Parts: sequence; C-alpha cells; structure tokens
Amino acid sequence: QQQVKQSPQSLIVQKGGISIINCAYENTAFDYFPWYQQFPGKGPALLIAIRPDVSEKKEGRFTISFNKSAKQFSLHIMDSQPGDSATYFCAASKGGDSWGKLQFGAGTQVVVTP
Amino acid sequence: DGGITQSPKYLFRKEGQNVTLSCEQNLNHDAMYWYRQDPGQGLRLIYYSQIVNDFQKGDIAEGYSVSREKKESFPLTVTSAQKNPTAFYLCASRTTGTGNTIYFGEGSWLTVV
Repeated sequence: QQQVKQSPQSLIVQKGGISIINCAYENTAFDYFPWYQQFPGKGPALLIAIRPDVSEKKEGRFTISFNKSAKQFSLHIMDSQPGDSATYFCAASKGGDSWGKLQFGAGTQVVVTP
Repeated sequence: DGGITQSPKYLFRKEGQNVTLSCEQNLNHDAMYWYRQDPGQGLRLIYYSQIVNDFQKGDIAEGYSVSREKKESFPLTVTSAQKNPTAFYLCASRTTGTGNTIYFGEGSWLTVV
C-alpha cells in the first residue's frame, strides 16, 4: 500500500514552461516532505524539502507548495530547461529518528523539449 | 571527495546464490539505509541502521540481511530467499542531530540470471 501517491506518471513540457507534479499522503504523522531528482542510472539527489509548518518554499526555479489540510504537496519547476529532464520523486517521513525512513511516490518522468 | 560509494555497479547472480553489495561512506554520518528501486516505482526501504552494531528492518526486509560493524560501512546481502532480487539497490546515509538531508549513493544493479 503506497503511502504517498504521485501524479502524473510522466509529463512533457516545452523549454521555458512550467512543470507541475502533485503528491498526496494520508499519514498525518509525516513531518518532512522532500523532493528528489534522479537521472538515469544515478542515485536520487535532494532537490528541495519542506516541513508542514510552511505553506511554500522556493529555491531558484523550484517551488514546493504544501496544503496541510488537504494533505497534498506539489513541485513547480519554473522556466523548465532541457537539463531538468529527469525523474522526480516526492517522499515523506516522520520526524526524529524516522527522518531517513522515507515513503516515496512512484515518480514522475519529466521531459523538457527544446 | 566525501560521499557514498557503492560497489559493484553491476552484478549478475545465479538463482540460489547469495550476493553482497558494498556501501561505504566517508561523510561521518551516523545513520545508513538500504533502498530498493524497481522500474517505474518509487524506492522502498529494506533495512536501516542508526548506530554501529544496531539495525532495523524496513518495509521489505524479507530475503535480505545487513551488518553494521563499522560506522562507515553498511553491506547488504541479498540471500537466495529473496524471490525477486533483480532491482536497482541504493544506499543512503544521514547525519543525526543537525539536519536531515539524506544522501544517496550511485546505486548497484543486480540481475539474477
């Protein structure tokens, strides 16, 4: 049973466009919500993360929006570039010693066309 | 360079054989993790260790074993009891106490032939 549901499975966006990926969770004990970027054959790399006491966090072209009441969070990639073509995973974990026990979404493959 | 080193990158195993994947980190991190990734799916936690000589089962521990004899090393053994071992295996580490960024290694591909 997947604790974090991610959509869409894939998306294609033109260079300069906005990519939006959505995730939903059920466990209200989750306290940490990271997004990871993964290129083929490589390990995931942390992109940006948010705690539930914040509704939005921005780092460069990447923004997380968090809706605690709806138990949803999303990643927005602004001004998408071909180098952003990768698979993106949302994840969630409880706090304290459970930080590293991440529950991952199934991933979204993003393709940015020139 | 500081980081997490996994080896081998590619491994082929015959059915019925055990195989051990190596994970070494020089980040001085206390906690280490093993995740499994199947095509088109997210990562799933196999085992984790918060300190030396202690480890806990994750969500899919059956057919796997680990040890944590040294802080920098956390090897994973895929035993013959694992019914579907072909997958991409990722080791990760995290420092406890001040921050919660989890760093992943480059992964090991295991194929059963």
